[in-house]
Amino acid sequence: DAGVTQSPTHLIKTRGQQVTLRCSPKSGHDTVSWYQQALGQGPQFIFQYYEEEERQRGNFPDRFSGHQFPNYSSELNVNALLLGDSALYLCASSPLTSGSYNEQFFGPGTRLTVL
Amino acid sequence: QKEVEQNSGPLSVPEGAIASLNCTYSDRVSQSFFWYRQYSGKSPELIMSIYSNGDKEDGRFTAQLNKASQYVSLLIRDSQPSDSATYLCAVANYGQNFVFGPGTRLSVLP
Repeated sequence: DAGVTQSPTHLIKTRGQQVTLRCSPKSGHDTVSWYQQALGQGPQFIFQYYEEEERQRGNFPDRFSGHQFPNYSSELNVNALLLGDSALYLCASSPLTSGSYNEQFFGPGTRLTVL
Repeated sequence: QKEVEQNSGPLSVPEGAIASLNCTYSDRVSQSFFWYRQYSGKSPELIMSIYSNGDKEDGRFTAQLNKASQYVSLLIRDSQPSDSATYLCAVANYGQNFVFGPGTRLSVLP
């Protein structure tokens, strides 16, 4: 049973560039959430996708956008990168439609460095 | 603003001892509570979930929830050096996003 996968593992960009991160959820999961984790801090919620729509959004600017595809995989896009966007980006999947208490399972993360 | 608070640590315990990790939350209507373990440079790994007041045991781990006090804890019995990691507390309402605490660093000394 494949878990949550993310790509790429590491990424180095310069200020002002754009980046796209990808996530495939755990088999049987239809909901994908994205988090940003700065060094030494807990993950901060960016947004959540279900049925190809953004269901909830955290306190992040519009430079952060996303998409969910019919196969439940998802992308996170960040435009006009800032130095402060350097972080570990985590994708988590959960079985929203199961009626359970939404346990979330994380992928390995993408380490983004902005120079 | 929903908040989750944890002592940042580090919490140091000798091998074989009980490690006690604590978490408080501000949103009184929170329903779901989770503990994640995160090794340095890795992603969080779910180790316990708890939804009702009281204790829930899973192997060496026991989660305790007190909704009236807005408090959730994690006990690790017979601590091992491999338990050394950051432990993240997460709180959510049904169907809502998770709010994570800053994590507590645990160090188990051989």
